[in-house]
Amino acid sequence: EVQLVESGGGLVKPGGSLRLSCAASGFTFSSYSMNWVRQAPGKGLEWVSSISSSSSKIYYADSAKGRFTISRDNAKNSLYLQMNSLRAEDTAVYYCARDFGGGKYAFDIWGQGTMVTVSS
Amino acid sequence: QSALTQPASVSGSPGQSITISCTGSSSDVGSYNLVSWYQHHPGKAPKLMIYEGSKRPSGVSNRFSGSKSGNTASLTISGLQAEDEADYYCCSYAGSSTWVFGGGTKLTVL
Repeated sequence: EVQLVESGGGLVKPGGSLRLSCAASGFTFSSYSMNWVRQAPGKGLEWVSSISSSSSKIYYADSAKGRFTISRDNAKNSLYLQMNSLRAEDTAVYYCARDFGGGKYAFDIWGQGTMVTVSS
Repeated sequence: QSALTQPASVSGSPGQSITISCTGSSSDVGSYNLVSWYQHHPGKAPKLMIYEGSKRPSGVSNRFSGSKSGNTASLTISGLQAEDEADYYCCSYAGSSTWVFGGGTKLTVL
């Protein structure tokens, strides 16, 4: 079964750091670009960052630039998001999502998310 | 990047059809035929329903269809069923390898 499972969320103080992980299974992880998407409480989805299959191309939303770092370990079938200088507005459920691939522009597989709460 | 605009809620009775609109700009929806739609039952993983404006992934019911006109994309669900009740999000490619989502629409099946 194709699956993505996020972990690493929790409660952190403003200015703190957190590292999210996403474990992939059921597909050839190293062949797909991956993404982080978040949803703040009561709000819509927001794309955060993308990384190509070989890590050669990385992109960030303006809200994440300079504070968040996306990375992956293809040997471990894992995607990561290092979040520094966290703010209250970063409070959200964070989802990892797979690029559809094959030149198709969409996110075809999602995890169930991990909650990040930034509060003093 | 500004979020795409969706109605906060829509509703319909079983068997009816509903349409959810998604309005962007000439920088995203209007420039690319790369709008996707996601169904999200709270607490679960979002599910891809439509990609590239009107294409359905394998396994998605043909009751779901997508279209676009100018800066506005639309998702139509025909033959509404109780299990269609969920939140729906549109998403558009916005250039420079970035993406923008809509604020979401809560669908209630009466």
